[in-house]
Amino acid sequence: SAVISQKPSRDICQRGTSLTIQCQVDSQVTMMFWYRQQPGQSLTLIATANQGSEATYESGFVIDKFPISRPNLTFSTLTVSNMSPEDSSIYLCSAAVRQETQYFGPGTRLLVL
Amino acid sequence: AQTVTQSQPEMSVQEAETVTLSCTYDTSENNYYLFWYKQPPSRQMILVIRQEAYKQQNATENRFSVNFQKAAKSFSLKISDSQLGDTAMYFCAFIDRGSTLGRLYFGRGTQLTVWP
Repeated sequence: SAVISQKPSRDICQRGTSLTIQCQVDSQVTMMFWYRQQPGQSLTLIATANQGSEATYESGFVIDKFPISRPNLTFSTLTVSNMSPEDSSIYLCSAAVRQETQYFGPGTRLLVL
Repeated sequence: AQTVTQSQPEMSVQEAETVTLSCTYDTSENNYYLFWYKQPPSRQMILVIRQEAYKQQNATENRFSVNFQKAAKSFSLKISDSQLGDTAMYFCAFIDRGSTLGRLYFGRGTQLTVWP
């Protein structure tokens, strides 16, 4: 398994600003992922964070809105840019220790006013 | 495309009783993994149990076991001796083992409440 931490755990932000969420894994992993979970909903994959190359985004998510960095095999960041109230969600990162099994961080609860 | 369906939005069970959560999936792949994740009010996603499609034996983890019916594409979770701490949202998930993207497909979840 893997232990994954996220910072911040929660934040309240003003519309038009940006927030960067950090995800740290306690071991080197090949694949890291970012998900969004809107209230009462399931998880939606935003993108796969690739080490040494650009992230792979799912349909409906773009790099300008959700830039992602992956500088090494244990760390990734997700930025939520130019925020609006519709961006209020829980953002979760995960890591695949083996290709098929993902472990999740505790999530970042974001409220945009 | 892969889809995962959880037809029970909510379920409840009394403490110490047994409850079964349903999950069906649709795929044309033959080599895949299935998972149950638990999300308590803290919102932490916790891996409960994992099943490899090529294994006929149903996975078991302490009080949690699955009934994996590959032909029927069914993957139910049985929780025995339910405890108050089992109260959570439960998500069924699927991954194609041959996928280089490692994409997990989630169901909509079942909210389980355990009553004292």
